[in-house]
Amino acid sequence: SQKIEQNSEALNIQEGKTATLTCNYTNYSPAYLQWYRQDPGRGPVFLLLIRENEKEKRKERLKVTFDTTLKQSLFHITASQPADSATYLCALSNSGYALNFGKGTSLLVTP
Amino acid sequence: EAQVTQNPRYLITVTGKKLTVTCSQNMNHEYMSWYRQDPGLGLRQIYYSMNVEVTDKGDVPEGYKVSRKEKRNFPLILESPSPNQTSLYFCASKYTTNEKLFFGSGTQLSVL
Repeated sequence: SQKIEQNSEALNIQEGKTATLTCNYTNYSPAYLQWYRQDPGRGPVFLLLIRENEKEKRKERLKVTFDTTLKQSLFHITASQPADSATYLCALSNSGYALNFGKGTSLLVTP
Repeated sequence: EAQVTQNPRYLITVTGKKLTVTCSQNMNHEYMSWYRQDPGLGLRQIYYSMNVEVTDKGDVPEGYKVSRKEKRNFPLILESPSPNQTSLYFCASKYTTNEKLFFGSGTQLSVL
């Protein structure tokens, strides 16, 4: 069966450090992978999309890698801030239409 | 302002009483979708629509209906709600394949 796995344990880091979140998948052949941020009780907000032919993508303090051989994506937030505290969701699709999400990893950045 | 609008934000109802959660987007998106989110289970897709009059089941469609008569609207219908449908529901839309999803603010439904 298809699976998208993210660390279920919350990640606690100190302000200024780099946060690294992992997304592993099985039985998908995605053309792309997306990352979203979700704050409590609110809808997810799109952050980054990376395609299968891209190894790495950056946007400001965010960096995403995509290894289709390992079936893994890493999401990095550099110089983390308390405002980065949220749940981060990985999402992908085989068809390009129906997007499936991982359960998310909660990030807490403490001052 | 580009947005996906869901109503109501909160809804408390009783078992068996039909209800509709509305969803509207103003971005001319072809694709629309409904998700439910439950603690420990994450976001699960209920139904999606690739265009007007085209709908398809997601991973958890049982107990739900949808319709897509107009491009901008995609209501979620619970004909006979049951307590196991108590959840946080999100509507989402996007232009085409490989594009980011825009989510609504969510509807917290409680079925007593």
